[in-house]
Amino acid sequence: GDSVTQMEGPVTLSEEACLTINCTYTATGYPSLFWYVQYPGEGLQLLLKATKADDKGSNKGFEATYRKETTSFHLEKGSVQVSDSAVYFCALSNTGGFKTIFGAGTRLFVKA
Amino acid sequence: NAGVTQTPKFQVLKTGQSMTLQCAQDMNHEYMSWYRQDPGMGLRLIHYSVGAGITDQGEVPNGYNVSRSTTEDFPLRLLSAAPSQTSVYFCASSYGQGRGPDTQYFGPGTRLTVL
Repeated sequence: GDSVTQMEGPVTLSEEACLTINCTYTATGYPSLFWYVQYPGEGLQLLLKATKADDKGSNKGFEATYRKETTSFHLEKGSVQVSDSAVYFCALSNTGGFKTIFGAGTRLFVKA
Repeated sequence: NAGVTQTPKFQVLKTGQSMTLQCAQDMNHEYMSWYRQDPGMGLRLIHYSVGAGITDQGEVPNGYNVSRSTTEDFPLRLLSAAPSQTSVYFCASSYGQGRGPDTQYFGPGTRLTVL
């Protein structure tokens, strides 16, 4: 069945460092791919998404490119801020499916 | 739009008690889901619905019931609470668009403790 694997955390960075959180997926067909973010004490919210191969999703300085050849959707940001400290979830949704498949989440700590 | 609302925000139960967690959305979404999130961060799907009158089990359905009598509401019932059900519960909704669930909109969560 469909699945999502993302790098284990926690990831600890200093402010202004570069961020990459790896995400790979297994799915038949052409799924939609998502990154969600969860700030402390809150529910998840959409960060960005891509619906077809080679699409790039972007929001708040974060980017991810849908790579079908490597089945990946890595999250990147060039310069992180303390306010980016959160848990990040990679997810997919597939045609004909009824469920969103979430990765296990990666906790990011950014130090001032 | 209020989005997805959940009540209560916090609840403490004794083992064996029953209760209902409420979830409502005002976006006319077809899909609604219940997840639990335990320390260690991952989400586990309890039950989901693809429209009024249609529900199905997720990964961890035991001990929980759901119903979907209207598009807006999707309550989660704990039949006989157990300490293993101590968790944070999130409700989510989305459009389907014929391609599977689109962007999920999450409620703020209910933090449940079972003593």
